[in-house]
Amino acid sequence: GAVVSQHPSRVICKSGTSVKIECRSLDFQATTMFWYRQFPKQSLMLMATSNEGSKATYEQGVEKDKFLINHASLTLSTLTVTSAHPEDSSFYICSARDWGFSDPETQYFGPGTRLLVL
Amino acid sequence: KQEVTQIPAALSVPEGENLVLNCSFTDSAIYNLQWFRQDPGKGLTSLLLIQSSQREQTSGRLNASLDKSSGRSTLYIAASQPGDSATYLCAVNSDSWGKLQFGAGTQVVVTP
Repeated sequence: GAVVSQHPSRVICKSGTSVKIECRSLDFQATTMFWYRQFPKQSLMLMATSNEGSKATYEQGVEKDKFLINHASLTLSTLTVTSAHPEDSSFYICSARDWGFSDPETQYFGPGTRLLVL
Repeated sequence: KQEVTQIPAALSVPEGENLVLNCSFTDSAIYNLQWFRQDPGKGLTSLLLIQSSQREQTSGRLNASLDKSSGRSTLYIAASQPGDSATYLCAVNSDSWGKLQFGAGTQVVVTP
């Protein structure tokens, strides 16, 4: 099956700094990637849809200037949390659709990135 | 707005029993419904995807049914094993781009 990786898997940073999280599709091209956030004991909440070569679409209530998304190639999308604060501490997960696969509607999820802002 | 609910929130069964996990959604205009497994601190593993035109999907000990008109899906896990212990999430795709709306999950513990 298709594989999606995320880097880093865990990051600790000081309040006010920016953190970049990478999401890569390893063996397929992903024109569409999604970014989700999961707080402890809660489910996943969609933050934004990332399309290669165009601006990301953010869900209501998600600050686009705080969560910068770049989808520069068919295999890489990045999420940058700018001026991070403790309330941004969460588990960030990306997913990707393999439009060329025999099952294009299945989403493949990365292993997630645990962000802790001190 | 689509809302997805999973019942029960937690479930503990002895090894060998069958598991029944329920998922309901408010808007029946869906493209598909997907069941995932999440282990603590980990990402998601896709278990089954049911298209809106399908009634059920099976993979090994797992069987998922879909009743779109009533807004319900059920995941059955036969002959549970301790390795089945995890949180199970259902997610509904009501959007052509594939945006998923997740339920809160059912935390399953299978005791030896």
